[in-house]
Amino acid sequence: GAVVSQHPSWVICKSGTSVKIECRSLDFQATTMFWYRQFPKQSLMLMATSNEGSKATYEQGVEKDKFLINHASLTLSTLTVTSAHPEDSSFYICSAGRRDEQFFGPGTRLTVL
Amino acid sequence: GESVGLHLPTLSVQEGDNSIINCAYSNSASDYFIWYKQESGKGPQFIIDIRSNMDKRQGQRVTVLLNKTVKHLSLQIAATQPGDSAVYFCAERPTGTASKLTFGTGTRLQVTL
Repeated sequence: GAVVSQHPSWVICKSGTSVKIECRSLDFQATTMFWYRQFPKQSLMLMATSNEGSKATYEQGVEKDKFLINHASLTLSTLTVTSAHPEDSSFYICSAGRRDEQFFGPGTRLTVL
Repeated sequence: GESVGLHLPTLSVQEGDNSIINCAYSNSASDYFIWYKQESGKGPQFIIDIRSNMDKRQGQRVTVLLNKTVKHLSLQIAATQPGDSAVYFCAERPTGTASKLTFGTGTRLQVTL
């Protein structure tokens, strides 16, 4: 149990377009989901905490208008990278919280040309 | 705190030997610690966890040691196998942060034959 999926697993887009990434908890309900970004050879950096039915809480330095998060149900959170630029190219990973544990998705590789 | 290193430290171990991966954490108020394994292009995978009221916990082929005095965490892998090759991250959860995790820098484990 405790499986988390992400879609798509990779995406390539042109500069200026928006990209939506989905995070789903497949076999449990998650009131809290987390979004991380990971650059090559670096650690995971928490971007925001997504709570079902309320606004996301963003970490310092993360632009909320650029990285839109929606947590519409207990099994789905989405991250939309708006007006993407090459510097947004990264590996985006979500996790879903159950009790005090986090279960991670497989990640989404975003490449902005 | 968060890590922003550009180069992951690497530990090279021969197959069959024991591996010890170290982590220094930053927040003396953290009450829960987790080790994750991350293979290339994938999300983090839970290995083992430990709470601050313990100093040692054992799993299958893995042991985590916690030294709160010097804020140090270690992961020991017995009889290291090629499949153990990956990047290993420690994560800490400060008390009262509702499962929000802070990841360490990470260590790349290379298992040689």
